[in-house]
Amino acid sequence: DAGVIQSPRHEVTEMGQEVTLRCKPISGHNSLFWYRQTMMRGLELLIYFNNNVPIDDSGMPEDRFSAKMPNASFSTLKIQPSEPRDSAVYFCASRPGQGIDSPLHFGNGTRLTVT
Amino acid sequence: AQKITQTQPGMFVQEKEAVTLDCTYDTSDPSYGLFWYKQPSSGEMIFLIYQGSYDQQNATEGRYSLNFQKARKSANLVISASQLGDSAMYFCAIYSNTGNQFYFGTGTSLTVIP
Repeated sequence: DAGVIQSPRHEVTEMGQEVTLRCKPISGHNSLFWYRQTMMRGLELLIYFNNNVPIDDSGMPEDRFSAKMPNASFSTLKIQPSEPRDSAVYFCASRPGQGIDSPLHFGNGTRLTVT
Repeated sequence: AQKITQTQPGMFVQEKEAVTLDCTYDTSDPSYGLFWYKQPSSGEMIFLIYQGSYDQQNATEGRYSLNFQKARKSANLVISASQLGDSAMYFCAIYSNTGNQFYFGTGTSLTVIP
């Protein structure tokens, strides 16, 4: 059973460039979350989708960040233009249901470095 | 609002010994779920164990058990017979339908000493 798949695993880019992170949730999971993890701020929720619809994007730091989920098996997180302070590990996670007993299943993360 | 507090930034345990990682939470919702995740140095987040607010018994999953004390709002993770591979960051999280998102603690770094 494949887990949540994220790509790329590592991304190094220069300030000002566009970055696109990709996520394939577990089949049958109808909720998808994007998190950012840094030493200073820990795990931060950026945005989440239910049934491909964005529900809460209040965690998206700026207009430079955007996320889409065109179908149940694919989501992207885009940063344009990127800045050094965006350097972090970005996790995608999905969960099978919306009840209190439904855990998040995380991908392996994308480590983004913006120079 | 929901909140998770993990007061132990770092813990050490001797191999084969048991260790308890503390987690306290704050919520006004009567129905919620508590989760523990492990993050080894390789970076992935691994789901370990779940406890529901209405569960009468403490959750167990292999060497992991959850010491759930509802009145004290604590959900401590107990790892029995520690192994070197248990060295990792451990995160506690809470979810409720009212909050509609997961709230994570700051994590505890566990080091198992051979």
